[in-house]
Amino acid sequence: AQSVTQPDIHITVSEGASLELRCNYSYGATPYLFWYVQSPGQGLQLLLKYFSGDTLVQGIKGFEAEFKRSQSSFNLRKPSVHWSDAAEYFCAVGAFGGGGNKLTFGTGTQLKVEL
Amino acid sequence: EAQVTQNPRYLITVTGKKLTVTCSQNMNHEYMSWYRQDPGLGLRQIYYSMNVEVTDKGDVPEGYKVSRKEKRNFPLILESPSPNQTSLYFCASSRAGVTEAFFGQGTRLTVV
Repeated sequence: AQSVTQPDIHITVSEGASLELRCNYSYGATPYLFWYVQSPGQGLQLLLKYFSGDTLVQGIKGFEAEFKRSQSSFNLRKPSVHWSDAAEYFCAVGAFGGGGNKLTFGTGTQLKVEL
Repeated sequence: EAQVTQNPRYLITVTGKKLTVTCSQNMNHEYMSWYRQDPGLGLRQIYYSMNVEVTDKGDVPEGYKVSRKEKRNFPLILESPSPNQTSLYFCASSRAGVTEAFFGQGTRLTVV
């Protein structure tokens, strides 16, 4: 069975500082990986996804993530954080076909941005 | 605009009173799912559907029912809600195959 670990429950960074959110996955086949963001009171917005190809993927809002198969990781990065990036971030791995394209989510990382 | 619409957004109910949360998508997606989100647990799949009249259990199906009579709609039914079903619920839809899921805005349910 697949699983996702986000080891950091809370992270605080200063506005303008760089950000890295960690994600490790366990999956028996080729992983399909996602990062979603949830702003307070909002639904889930897709930041970026990795299906195949270039292991460095670019997303919206200046985010990027790097897939490292040897480390089973898919860490999210941003060079310079803005106050509006404060939100909860979820990493997920997708199982396609059976299970209705089930997504298995990590427990989330709450990002706080200090001005 | 492509979207997944859930109603209601907020609901407070009492234990044992049947309720339905509706979900509708306008993208002609084959697959739809319900998830619940709880602090420290992330999102977990409750039920899913891969086509009209085809539904199956996810990871946490106890206490829930679903139906898929039309392609666009996938209601979540709690026939006898209990306080441990207090949670934030999300409906999602996607095409078949390797693709991304689209999520609704969420329904915050409180059972007292």
